[in-house]
Amino acid sequence: DQQVKQNSPSLSVQEGRISILNCDYTNSMFDYFLWYKKYPAEGPTFLISISSIKDKNEDGRFTVFLNKSAKHLSLHIVPSQPGDSAVYFCAASVSGANSKLTFGKGITLSVRP
Amino acid sequence: DTGVSQDPRHKITKRGQNVTFRCDPISEHNRLYWYRQTLGQGPEFLTYFQNEAQLEKSRLLSDRFSAERPKGSFSTLEIQRTEQGDSAMYLCASSSTTDRSEKLFFGSGTQLSVL
Repeated sequence: DQQVKQNSPSLSVQEGRISILNCDYTNSMFDYFLWYKKYPAEGPTFLISISSIKDKNEDGRFTVFLNKSAKHLSLHIVPSQPGDSAVYFCAASVSGANSKLTFGKGITLSVRP
Repeated sequence: DTGVSQDPRHKITKRGQNVTFRCDPISEHNRLYWYRQTLGQGPEFLTYFQNEAQLEKSRLLSDRFSAERPKGSFSTLEIQRTEQGDSAMYLCASSSTTDRSEKLFFGSGTQLSVL
């Protein structure tokens, strides 16, 4: 059973426009959420995170929104750049435990020049 | 600042052979994790160490898999009698208990192909 779901396998956007990547979770115990970016033949790299006590966290072009009641989070990238083309994974954890992350299947983002 | 290092980057083996992978975490990190990623899936948790103690193992980790972290520094993951279904990217990650961000730092992975 997938506890973290990324239902759209791919997304294509024009350079300069907004990219919105969605993620849903089912486990109510999750209280910390992270986004990772992965290029081919490399390991995932951390992008941005949010604690369940917040509903928004911003870092430069990247903003993550959390809707706890809907068990939904989204990553906004504005403006999108061709270098953002990668696979994006949503991950969740129960904080204060062992930092074990549960990942979604990922979304492949393509930013067209 | 050296990140998480994994060796080898690629391994091709024949079914039934044993393979061993090595992971060197970030030096000040006391937690070490092994994940497996197959095509079209996200990384799946296999096991986790805090210092030299293996504190959790996933049910994905069959008896053919064994992981060690003998001195609380580097770790090895061994797969005995490999099967074609073991073909995957094996990822190692590390973190520190003093970092409250829940963030894991990943290595580049070992891509295993079982023929």
